[in-house]
Amino acid sequence: QKEVEQNSGPLSVPEGAIASLNCTYSDRGSQSFFWYRQYSGKSPELIMFIYSNGDKEDGRFTAQLNKASQYVSLLIRDSQPSDSATYLCAVISGNSGYALNFGKGTSLLVTP
Amino acid sequence: DVKVTQSSRYLVKRTGEKVFLECVQDMDHENMFWYRQDPGLGLRLIYFSYDVKMKEKGDIPEGYSVSREKKERFSLILESASTNQTSMYLCASRQGLVDTQYFGPGTRLTVL
Repeated sequence: QKEVEQNSGPLSVPEGAIASLNCTYSDRGSQSFFWYRQYSGKSPELIMFIYSNGDKEDGRFTAQLNKASQYVSLLIRDSQPSDSATYLCAVISGNSGYALNFGKGTSLLVTP
Repeated sequence: DVKVTQSSRYLVKRTGEKVFLECVQDMDHENMFWYRQDPGLGLRLIYFSYDVKMKEKGDIPEGYSVSREKKERFSLILESASTNQTSMYLCASRQGLVDTQYFGPGTRLTVL
């Protein structure tokens, strides 16, 4: 079983602050990395994807990938109460038949 | 616009009933997936399909079967529903093996 690990939280940050969400994965053959946001009772929606080492920015979101350390993170700048949700890290690996393996998610709470 | 639809948002069934969950995608995607999501356990892959009439077992296939007769439709079948199959069921699809995966809205199934 290929592992994707996240701290379950809750991570609490004040409005306007930077939220930092972290994820580690065990399979060195992993190729694609995704961050999904899931509100309570809803299905996951894609926030970011990243394939290469380094940073990728999209608006207030930055994904960071370090394959040597098997680590991927998501930064949310200027956090808003509407960002309060569970964030799921997901990884695709050819060694797992290209199935998308999910972490259990980190709960983020942005307080006004 | 990407669209994955599921036949029901909420479903209540009795123990022993045969249950059909339908998923349709309109993006001409090759790959389709069924997950269940439970508190504390995260998203777990039940079955997936890379092509019409093709299926692969995921992490928890026991008690389930699937059918993919047409490219756009992927059905999950509970042959004899049991109370431990009460869960949120999520369908997803993606084009390539390492591409972004999109989710349907989910079906909340309760087995009494």
